[in-house]
Amino acid sequence: GIQVEQSPPDLILQEGANSTLRCNFSDSVNNLQWFHQNPWGQLINLFYIPSGTKQNGRLSATTVATERYSLLYISSSQTTDSGVYFCAVGTTGGFKTIFGAGTRLFVKA
Amino acid sequence: KAGVTQTPRYLIKTRGQQVTLSCSPISGHRSVSWYQQTPGQGLQFLFEYFSETQRNKGNFPGRFSGRQFSNSRSEMNVSTLELGDSALYLCASSLSGAHEQYFGPGTRLTVT
Repeated sequence: GIQVEQSPPDLILQEGANSTLRCNFSDSVNNLQWFHQNPWGQLINLFYIPSGTKQNGRLSATTVATERYSLLYISSSQTTDSGVYFCAVGTTGGFKTIFGAGTRLFVKA
Repeated sequence: KAGVTQTPRYLIKTRGQQVTLSCSPISGHRSVSWYQQTPGQGLQFLFEYFSETQRNKGNFPGRFSGRQFSNSRSEMNVSTLELGDSALYLCASSLSGAHEQYFGPGTRLTVT
């Protein structure tokens, strides 16, 4: 089945720093989403981005479907950005979603 | 618009028992997917339902089952609980299964 790899697994930033999280996938996908999981377990939608680039405030994402990767950019990080960031891909024609292992981000004040 | 709701939020069960979890999707969404999250295995896909039909399932034993009702609400059932079934169970809804998914707060199941 399709493999989804996220890097780095862990990231520690000083408040105000920028970062790039990467998601590689091994096969063609129908769609791709980025989520932020808060300490209570709630998955919060960041981007639905099967291809192209989107921006939302300090966050932006780019998916290059032909090269099978997606990037999530966090600029001017804040302590509230801490948590786990997941990439999830939808398999083509299969109605199945595969999650990466996540990137655990800690932003220090 | 109300979000995805899951009940109960917390549950403690004993090995060998069975449990039923409920998920109410966003109004108008007809696809519901279920996931298990554990520290060791991460977020794993359990199954997806659309219009009361299971369209796909993950690699879980037959003790894990689900169903969807005509109003799109879904339930999942785990029979003969094992300690390893302790996890956060998340459900997500989307318009069709190929669209953006929205997650509920999860049910945290502890098996003792």
